Amino acid sequence: ELKVEQNPLFLSMQEGKNYTIYCNYSTTSDRLYWYRQDPGKSLESLFVLLSNGAVKQEGRLMASLDTKARLSTLHITAAVHDLSATYFCAGGGTSYGKLTFGQGTILTVHP
Amino acid sequence: DTGVSQNPRHKITKRGQNVTFRCDPISEHNRLYWYRQTLGQGPEFLTYFQNEAQLEKSRLLSDRFSAERPKGSFSTLEIQRTEQGDSAMYLCASSLVGLAVGTDTQYFGPGTRLTVL
Repeated sequence: ELKVEQNPLFLSMQEGKNYTIYCNYSTTSDRLYWYRQDPGKSLESLFVLLSNGAVKQEGRLMASLDTKARLSTLHITAAVHDLSATYFCAGGGTSYGKLTFGQGTILTVHP
Repeated sequence: DTGVSQNPRHKITKRGQNVTFRCDPISEHNRLYWYRQTLGQGPEFLTYFQNEAQLEKSRLLSDRFSAERPKGSFSTLEIQRTEQGDSAMYLCASSLVGLAVGTDTQYFGPGTRLTVL
């Protein structure tokens, strides 16, 4: 059964700094997803990564996938306060139906 | 363009009562999922439908939980004889599968927050 682990679980950053969130998964996964969740809100889809070497970027966020290492990363460039949220990675997809989520990384960006 | 909607948004009930939640997926999405999320955790899968067929239920799902998706449109999740441990956010998501690579992203609704007293 697929297991997904994220680290760090808590990340406190200064504005303007760069950092990376790591997502390891235990078995083959069709695809890897990243979601954002603001406090008290639902999940917002950020990226879906479909194949080895996939890289996607949106604004200050860039996600990549290494299927051989079973590792995905979410890189934050020049963080701003608006990026403060909880970020989840999830494995699964079409063949598996359900998504299996990591524990989430709570990101706080300070001035 | 409407997203996934869920009702009610909040539900407070007493232990032992039955509750029912509704989810309306994005129009034309053929898959519908239910997840449960407790504070500080990622969403946990409960069950999912493709059209009206329930394809998978979590092994962790008690017999007190039942879900339906009549006619492959909206879905209901019922919890019978609620327990305090059922208190959580219940999230519904929908996706469209079968047409093109990458279109099966799951889009989540706002959730129903259940509090069992």
